[in-house]
Amino acid sequence: DAKTTQPPSMDCAEGRAANLPCNHSTISGNEYVYWYRQIHSQGPQYIIHGLKNNETNEMASLIITEDRKSSTLILPHATLRDTAVYYCIVRVGGGSQGNLIFGKGTKLSVKP
Amino acid sequence: NAGVMQNPRHLVRRRGQEARLRCSPVKGHSHVYWYRQLPEEGLKFMVYLQKENIIDESGMPKERFSAEFPKEGPSILRIQQVVRGDSAAYFCASSPSGAQMNTEAFFGQGTRLTVV
Repeated sequence: DAKTTQPPSMDCAEGRAANLPCNHSTISGNEYVYWYRQIHSQGPQYIIHGLKNNETNEMASLIITEDRKSSTLILPHATLRDTAVYYCIVRVGGGSQGNLIFGKGTKLSVKP
Repeated sequence: NAGVMQNPRHLVRRRGQEARLRCSPVKGHSHVYWYRQLPEEGLKFMVYLQKENIIDESGMPKERFSAEFPKEGPSILRIQQVVRGDSAAYFCASSPSGAQMNTEAFFGQGTRLTVV
């Protein structure tokens, strides 16, 4: 089962920032938070990942709370092409190291 | 989707036939993961392989499904005696190392299997 909780859907106006929350209250100290998105039946696309510090790349920013129990993915200027299902994933450790366990994600709709 | 190649992109099989799905990972990647996505549902983990080894097959159905990742060549997901319920999109992902938590996995565009 997924170790994360996300709202099922969100709307965002084109050009505005999209802030997608994720709860991962049972995250372990050495587990990373990953974000992927899936645009209408395409393969999932890697966005960003982090451990405890905030991260930024050309696609998005990732803000992780100090207690690491939640995080927020920020798309600074959402476009219509950002409409997708966004998955927040805590990477599984132990004998299944490397697995990405997908939950239901957040369906983001960017509207003109 | 940095270089993970899956083929075929679309596959139609009659009930009872075999389906073979191929995945060529990103060059230099030695870890492959297979996922299945039923219509209108999320991705479900099936199997995680290293070269010549199955690391975790906890998501694989016990019968009819098998996977391999030989020393040379692509990873193969094989479904024997397909049934209509096997119709789904099958995605493959690869990473340079599964043991390191901070390496991202890259996905292919998937194979859409339709069983008629």
